[in-house]
Amino acid sequence: DTAVSQTPKYLVTQMGNDKSIKCEQNLGHDTMYWYKQDSKKFLKIMFSYNNKELIINETVPNRFSPKSPDKAHLNLHINSLELGDSAVYFCASSQEWGLSDEQFFGPGTRLTVL
Amino acid sequence: GQQLNQSPQSMFIQEGEDVSMNCTSSSIFNTWLWYKQDPGEGPVLLIALYKAGELTSNGRLTAQFGITRKDSFLNISASIPSDVGIYFCAGQSVGSSNTGKLIFGQGTTLQVKP
Repeated sequence: DTAVSQTPKYLVTQMGNDKSIKCEQNLGHDTMYWYKQDSKKFLKIMFSYNNKELIINETVPNRFSPKSPDKAHLNLHINSLELGDSAVYFCASSQEWGLSDEQFFGPGTRLTVL
Repeated sequence: GQQLNQSPQSMFIQEGEDVSMNCTSSSIFNTWLWYKQDPGEGPVLLIALYKAGELTSNGRLTAQFGITRKDSFLNISASIPSDVGIYFCAGQSVGSSNTGKLIFGQGTTLQVKP
């Protein structure tokens, strides 16, 4: 069984559109994250949620809005997509906030904005 | 912001050779993690280090948490073709505001020639 899953795997869309990426973890973890990996493979944290509450928001534009309906899911909605949003977005989870830094990553969603 | 300097940026080696890569930071870290990312996949945790001076092995991989708490290295012995990928160091620096925030290095791309 997949531990951290994301859908879709690939997303190609036009500038100005709104899109969502979904993430689910079946590890029973309390904390979930969204990362952005740019074309140079640099990984940077965007958001973190602990038990459905926003903990980290790393100066991400307001067009990005995470939503956690329960602690096993963390979705990412992006409004008014821009060319610079093209990247691979990774969801991750960890057991408990502040207890362990071992984060487990999903397979990624490659977003291409045309 | 905080940065991790990871080197080398890339390596091209012969199968059977040993590999060494390292990360340094400008601040003291509580945790050092080493991940491997295969093409089209998310990073997979290889080794986690939590104490200064700690030396941990995982099969042919060995990593150490530097005594100054500002660096870590990863060694791969007797490399094989499936070691190909991008290796990332990651860490969490000291301070309550940094809890849960993993900072990633720029990655080391490893290629192994059979």
